[in-house]
Amino acid sequence: QKEVEQNSGPLSVPEGAIASLNCTYSDRGSQSFFWYRQYSGKSPELIMSIYSNGDKEDGRFTAQLNKASQYVSLLIRDSQPSDSATYLCAVLYNTDKLIFGTGTRLQVFP
Amino acid sequence: DTAVSQTPKYLVTQMGNDKSIKCEQNLGHDTMYWYKQDSKKFLKIMFSYNNKELIINETVPNRFSPKSPDKAHLNLHINSLELGDSAVYFCASSQDQEVSPLHFGNGTRLTVT
Repeated sequence: QKEVEQNSGPLSVPEGAIASLNCTYSDRGSQSFFWYRQYSGKSPELIMSIYSNGDKEDGRFTAQLNKASQYVSLLIRDSQPSDSATYLCAVLYNTDKLIFGTGTRLQVFP
Repeated sequence: DTAVSQTPKYLVTQMGNDKSIKCEQNLGHDTMYWYKQDSKKFLKIMFSYNNKELIINETVPNRFSPKSPDKAHLNLHINSLELGDSAVYFCASSQDQEVSPLHFGNGTRLTVT
């Protein structure tokens, strides 16, 4: 089983819709979870971090964590064409190693 | 001011050559990393250093040798380059390994011909 799994997509949503991105991980002991956004040809940038079960909201972004199900998700409300990018889920293993998923490509069309 | 800077941005070289990529961060972070991103966009950790000390050394061929002269610099030297080494190499830093985010450099696109 891969350590961090994501659907590679592309996930296509119309402008204004909610985009839902999902991620599962294998290490039950992991405590820190991150979502990074990577535009084509650019470096990843952090958009959300979450450490406890439940929801965490920041503007149009909501991260959701369910440690019992080993599941992390990212919701993007009112999706914009500028949100089109690859979204990378990252999980901290053994307190020192950040493992990335393969990323989900999101396409928001006008 | 660039927080994490790496040079060069592009590197094109032939098989068998030796090349280096340099990385510097001015954030005052204690931990630095090298990640490799392949053509399928999979970002995989290679090495991490904390205050010049090697912390993580993933299953990477020993042709890859990181060097950290001080906590603000982490360079990557690659010997006897192979076609499969072609990828984008990202340097990153973080203040705290456990909870603080990674700050990435702009990447070095290495092409081995």
